[in-house]
Amino acid sequence: TQLLEQSPQFLSIQEGENLTVYCNSSSVFSSLQWYRQEPGEGPVLLVTVVTGGEVKKLKRLTFQFGDARKDSSLHITAAQPGDTGLYLCAGATNSGYALNFGKGTSLLVTP
Amino acid sequence: EPEVTQTPSHQVTQMGQEVILRCVPISNHLYFYWYRQILGQKVEFLVSFYNNEISEKSEIFDDQFSVERPDGSNFTLKIRSTKLEDSAMYFCASTLTDGIPFFGQGTRLTVV
Repeated sequence: TQLLEQSPQFLSIQEGENLTVYCNSSSVFSSLQWYRQEPGEGPVLLVTVVTGGEVKKLKRLTFQFGDARKDSSLHITAAQPGDTGLYLCAGATNSGYALNFGKGTSLLVTP
Repeated sequence: EPEVTQTPSHQVTQMGQEVILRCVPISNHLYFYWYRQILGQKVEFLVSFYNNEISEKSEIFDDQFSVERPDGSNFTLKIRSTKLEDSAMYFCASTLTDGIPFFGQGTRLTVV
């Protein structure tokens, strides 16, 4: 099983601040997904990155896939209380479509 | 927007009983998955299903578990004899061939 380490585990910030969360592994992934999960609900896909060095933007969220396709980051600009949630990264290997998930970063944005 | 639908949302069962969790994947998707998430832990892959057979399974997916696509629309997960440690959120997911999975809302299974 390929391990995905997410950091930090918890993050509490004020509205308007910027933040970056990280997803690291020693394994190479063919693709990496970022999900957001609310309590008691299923993960909701935010983005998929496929190419090493790829950068994708989704409004105030910027996702980057490492050149070696072993790590990824999620940067949020000017965080808002609505960004509060659990952010999960998940990677797929070339051997199949099953995803390996990280434990997530729990983000709290206070007004 | 198409979505993956799971029923029931919450299932309580006694230890040793059989449970069947149901999922209706997105209609044009070809790959189907079950994942589980024990409270406070990470989401874990159980099994993938394609072309009416299991394509991949994890070590969690032992002989107590089985999957079926009985009628071309439903995708079920059966646990034959539930244990306390089977208590978890169970998520169904489906994908097109590009492998981007969409998850259902989950079924919370509580074994007592």
